[in-house]
Amino acid sequence: QKEVEQNSGPLSVPEGAIASLNCTYSDRGSQSFFWYRQYSGKSPELIMSIYSNGDKEDGRFTAQLNKASQYVSLLIRDSQPSDSATYLCAVNIGGSWGKLQFGAGTQVVVTP
Amino acid sequence: SQTIHQWPATLVQPVGSPLSLECTVEGTSNPNLYWYRQAAGRGLQLLFYSVGIGQISSEVPQNLSASRPQDRQFILSSKKLLLSDSGFYLCAWSIGTSDTQYFGPGTRLTVL
Repeated sequence: QKEVEQNSGPLSVPEGAIASLNCTYSDRGSQSFFWYRQYSGKSPELIMSIYSNGDKEDGRFTAQLNKASQYVSLLIRDSQPSDSATYLCAVNIGGSWGKLQFGAGTQVVVTP
Repeated sequence: SQTIHQWPATLVQPVGSPLSLECTVEGTSNPNLYWYRQAAGRGLQLLFYSVGIGQISSEVPQNLSASRPQDRQFILSSKKLLLSDSGFYLCAWSIGTSDTQYFGPGTRLTVL
């Protein structure tokens, strides 16, 4: 069973601070990694993807990938109340068509 | 640009009744299509995926089935619903060999 693990939270973050979310995965062959944001009652929306070791920045979001440690993380800088949501980590566990394995998500609560 | 539609948005059905959920994608041809289910407080579970018309692969054996009668239409069905079928059903699409998936708005199903 190929697994994707995330801390369920809630992760409480003061407004303006950095939120740090972690995700570990079991399939060493995985090459593609994704972060989605899901507001309560809504569908997931893609934040960013990462394919290479290192950091990838997009606005206030930074994804970090370490394939040797089988670890991917998401940093949210200058956290805003609108960032309060559940963040899903997804890993391509095989197939050219993209079979994604999702973690259960980390709930983030940004407090004013 | 591509858009994805799902209907109905919400559905309440009695145990043993049939089910038909529809997903359509606009703005692209020959998308890869996916059906996921998200139970309350749980991660996303891949149910079916399709890489073309009439091509359906099942990931989880259960009382659900899927069909793809047209290039951009994906249908999830059941002949007799179970209580355990309750959840948030999400359709997603990707293009070609890209493994980046984009989700529709979802259908919230409650089986009573």
